Amino acid sequence: DIQMTQSPSSLSASVGDRVTITCRASQSISIYLNWYQQKPGKAPKLLIYAASSLQSGVPSRFSGSGSGTDFTLTISSLQPEDSATYHCQQSYSTPYTFGQGTKLEIK
Amino acid sequence: EVQLLESGGGLVQPGGSLRLSCAASGFIFSTSAMSWVRQAPGKGLEWVSSISGSGDSTYYADSVKGRFTISRDKSKNTMYLQMNSLRAEDTAVYYCAKGGVGVQFDPWGQGTLVTVSS
Repeated sequence: DIQMTQSPSSLSASVGDRVTITCRASQSISIYLNWYQQKPGKAPKLLIYAASSLQSGVPSRFSGSGSGTDFTLTISSLQPEDSATYHCQQSYSTPYTFGQGTKLEIK
Repeated sequence: EVQLLESGGGLVQPGGSLRLSCAASGFIFSTSAMSWVRQAPGKGLEWVSSISGSGDSTYYADSVKGRFTISRDKSKNTMYLQMNSLRAEDTAVYYCAKGGVGVQFDPWGQGTLVTVSS
């Protein structure tokens, strides 16, 4: 199975900050990497697919990069509504594994 | 608008069975891969199962293989998850999602809670 490791597990940042979350795969997954945002009590929402493609309707302050084993999700200017847990997920091979999640808090 | 609506969750005793349904609308269901993903209370996301658009190919996590069966009914635009021999560790919110089989999960349903307890 491909293990997905996210860091950090949690972070606190201020409105307007640039925030970066990283995700590392235990083997190469090309660009088969997706990012989701989940708010408490809600279903996950797709932000980024294929490592760097922005899902329709998602604000342009969100961006993704990487290939192979190392990936990043960047929020260029943090907004209050970005408080959530962020999950990476590989769609390269079954089982389709997720990272453990990164909880982002607004200071 | 794409919509997914899960139903069928509830409280079941260990060893019991439950069938979840996911009613889909707003897209061509018959050609879309579909999946189930679960989230135990306070835990991360775990992929459970996926089915191809044709229904000919199915995929399972090792943790549910041999106990859960995914299926779809094109005439009803509905996907199912038959869960047998349920265990306490199957307790989770179960989400259905469009996609899987090599592509992202989008969108997701609102989820249905399954609680396995005596």
